[in-house]
Amino acid sequence: DTAVSQTPKYLVTQMGNDKSIKCEQNLGHDTMYWYKQDSKKFLKIMFSYNNKELIINETVPNRFSPKSPDKAHLNLHINSLELGDSAVYFCASSQVVGLAAPLAKNIQYFGAGTRLSVL
Amino acid sequence: RKEVEQDPGPFNVPEGATVAFNCTYSNSASQSFFWYRQDCRKEPKLLMSVYSSGNEDGRFTAQLNRASQYISLLIRDSKLSDSATYLCVVNNGKGGGADGLTFGKGTHLIIQP
Repeated sequence: DTAVSQTPKYLVTQMGNDKSIKCEQNLGHDTMYWYKQDSKKFLKIMFSYNNKELIINETVPNRFSPKSPDKAHLNLHINSLELGDSAVYFCASSQVVGLAAPLAKNIQYFGAGTRLSVL
Repeated sequence: RKEVEQDPGPFNVPEGATVAFNCTYSNSASQSFFWYRQDCRKEPKLLMSVYSSGNEDGRFTAQLNRASQYISLLIRDSKLSDSATYLCVVNNGKGGGADGLTFGKGTHLIIQP
């Protein structure tokens, strides 16, 4: 059983389209994340949800909207796709998040990534 | 100063050699430190957590220097399978439920036969 699974693995689409990426974790974790890894391989956090509540929202265009129907799922919807959105998007989860939490509970587990190509 | 800074490499190292990477971080409030490994076209995976007193896991040794705000990773007797990008990871220490992990850009290691 894959701990953090995201679909689709590959997504090729035209500029201007709207698309969604889904993520599910079966680890019983409270916190889930979306990261973007661009062509320069820099992994940057986009959003973080803790128990379905948004806690981190980095400077991301509002065309990107995360949705967490329950704590095991965090989906990412992207409107009006642009060429610059082409990247690999990784979902991740951790047991908890926070300075006070033990080190082990901050460990993040990643999905296999969704390779988005906008043409 | 960037939040988490690493030498991108690539480090070309012969098999069996010892190699060390350093990473510096800017936020003195950070409390959690990790090394992740990312293979080409794969997701990042935890290599090891970094404890205050330093820790070892087989051929891998991690050290933390809070005063100088750097973390190191030492790989002994390197294997071909160690070829990967090594990501230094630090929690951003913002607190108030807004903590997240900040990833360095990674150090690319190539072990040569």
